[in-house]
This record gives sequence, structure tokens and C-alpha cells, in this order.
Amino acid sequence: NFMLTQPHSVSESPGKTVTISCTGSSGSIASNYVQWFQQRPGSAPTTVIYEDNQRFSGVPDRFSGSIDSSSNSASLTISGLKTEDEADYYCQSYDSINWVFGGGTKLTVL
Amino acid sequence: EVQLVQSGGEVKKPGESLKISCKGSGYSFNTNWIGWVRQMPGKGLEWMGIIYPGDSDTRYSPSFQGQVTISADKSITTAYLQWSSLKASDTAIYYCAVETSSRIFYWGQGTLVTVSS
Repeated sequence: NFMLTQPHSVSESPGKTVTISCTGSSGSIASNYVQWFQQRPGSAPTTVIYEDNQRFSGVPDRFSGSIDSSSNSASLTISGLKTEDEADYYCQSYDSINWVFGGGTKLTVL
Repeated sequence: EVQLVQSGGEVKKPGESLKISCKGSGYSFNTNWIGWVRQMPGKGLEWMGIIYPGDSDTRYSPSFQGQVTISADKSITTAYLQWSSLKASDTAIYYCAVETSSRIFYWGQGTLVTVSS
């Protein structure tokens, strides 16, 4: 079964840049699109990035997504960190047509 | 505007049955996969299964196969998640989400299910 692995937590200071990784367990992560979701405490998830690197409507261009085939990983990069970016972030891809979620990464902006 | 509106929170006893709903609007309900995702207290997102309302093709995560039933009623653009016999370990927030053709996901607001004796 295909799995996605994320770091449990990351932290960075306001104004800095942080990158959250999402590593595929097998096959090529580039074979299926990767999406990224943001979940603030007490709220439902929302789409941040879709189709590897497309920003969802209204998402600031401080957010970007990429794929690195050499490490079989996807990444979400947030630049110019703001305290409002503090949230849980989940990557998502597919095993056939079934949805696969990463375990989530808690981003702390301190 | 794509919207998914879920039914309200539920408090149930172990062994009871339950069916929660997710009404979609603002998109083509029949031609987009809609799925259910569990989030246990303090934990991450777990994919439970998906349904294609157009032909009711349904896929389940092995972890949830046989434990829940996913269905949809095209006539009222509503998807359902149901249990025949709840357990305390089913206590969680359940989200529905629709995957559009461009892999944009839209999420419902979540339904809190509490199972306690």
C-alpha cells in the first residue's frame, strides 16, 4: 500500500521560510498529483495547493508546491511566514483512485 | 460556489445505528467523486472511502471496509455515511469532501459523532 510520510512538526519565526516534505513510500510520487490542505484548530481542512503546484483561489503566493522525483517527495514551501499560517498541513495523493493522506505536519510560527 | 453542508453533531450509545449526510451544491454532483474522511480527537485525516454518484461506484479503505456504508442519492445531491452498530472508538469528526476534475478538493464543515454509554 502506498503511504505518504510527513514530519510530525516544524517551527520557524515570522518572516522566515519553511518547507514541509511529503515522501512517497513506493513508486514515483510524480505519477499522481499531490494536493496540500491546511487545517486550522477547530476548522475543516481547506485546499492550499492542488495538482502539485497550483495555488487554490485566494491562497497567497507565499505558498508554493513542488515535486522532487530524486527524493520521491513533494514539498510545500511557505515564505514570509505569518502567525496566521500556524496550522496543520496535510499532503494527499492517490493509490490507484483511492485517496492517501500524509500523517500531517504541525507548523508553529513563533 | 461549491458547497458541502453536513448534518449536525450526533450523540449515540454503543450498538446504535447512525446515518450522517453531506449535501452538495454548486457543482456537478453526479460526475465528481465524493469521499468521507475521519479525524479522531487530536489525530490526522484518515480516508474512509469514496463514491461516484453517477453510477454509485464505491471504494473503501481496507481499514473501513465492512465497518461503514457509503451511499448517495443523486435526486437530492446528498451523500451518506452510515454505521449499523457504533462503537466508542467511532467517536470522531467526519468530513465529506468532493474531488473536482482539477483535483481541487472542497470540504464540508464536519460532523462530530460522539459514542458513549
